[in-house]
Amino acid sequence: QKEVEQDPGPLSVPEGAIVSLNCTYSNSAFQYFMWYRQYSRKGPELLMYTYSSGNKEDGRFTAQVDKSSKYISLFIRDSQPSDSATYLCAMIKNTGNQFYFGTGTSLTVIP
Amino acid sequence: EAEVAQSPRYKITEKSQAVAFWCDPISGHATLYWYRQILGQGPELLVQFQDESVVDDSQLPKDRFSAERLKGVDSTLKIQPAELGDSAMYLCASSPIRVSLTRGTYEQYFGPGTRLTVT
Repeated sequence: QKEVEQDPGPLSVPEGAIVSLNCTYSNSAFQYFMWYRQYSRKGPELLMYTYSSGNKEDGRFTAQVDKSSKYISLFIRDSQPSDSATYLCAMIKNTGNQFYFGTGTSLTVIP
Repeated sequence: EAEVAQSPRYKITEKSQAVAFWCDPISGHATLYWYRQILGQGPELLVQFQDESVVDDSQLPKDRFSAERLKGVDSTLKIQPAELGDSAMYLCASSPIRVSLTRGTYEQYFGPGTRLTVT
């Protein structure tokens, strides 16, 4: 079993929709939780990070971490065609230096 | 805005040939990472440098892969000989945060990657 699981999609939504992207994990040692956006043929770009549990909001993006359920989410409000990309979740343990990435969810926002 | 530079952006090589990738991190970033990303998967760490020293190369296939960062600035990743299974995107990332085997950082900035195709 992989330490981080992410539904690969693809996910297709109309412009303006609320998008929910999710990852689950198995190791309670994870403390930092990140979301990256990766456009086709480009490197990942850090969108948001959260330390431990809770919510974090940045513009149209909200990251949620539920450590009791080992579940993290990224919500995108008022989705735009420019949001079309692959979204990767990633995590780091409280000790250790290795990123654990999900496989990525491919999102298409249709105008 | 400062960015991580990588070259070449695309490389096609025949199996058994040697191939090399170059990365120039954001100026002042002490930590440098090389990742491999197979299509449809998340990046996997190959090697991590702190200045010119290797912090973690436990996932680097050392029989064919080598990496160096001689002056603690830019870095080269080499594959010799290349195999069909090496076809992937090779990503470089850098961080201003100093790390160790027991302490990592969320703050990594990725370059555009080198897409390698082995025929």
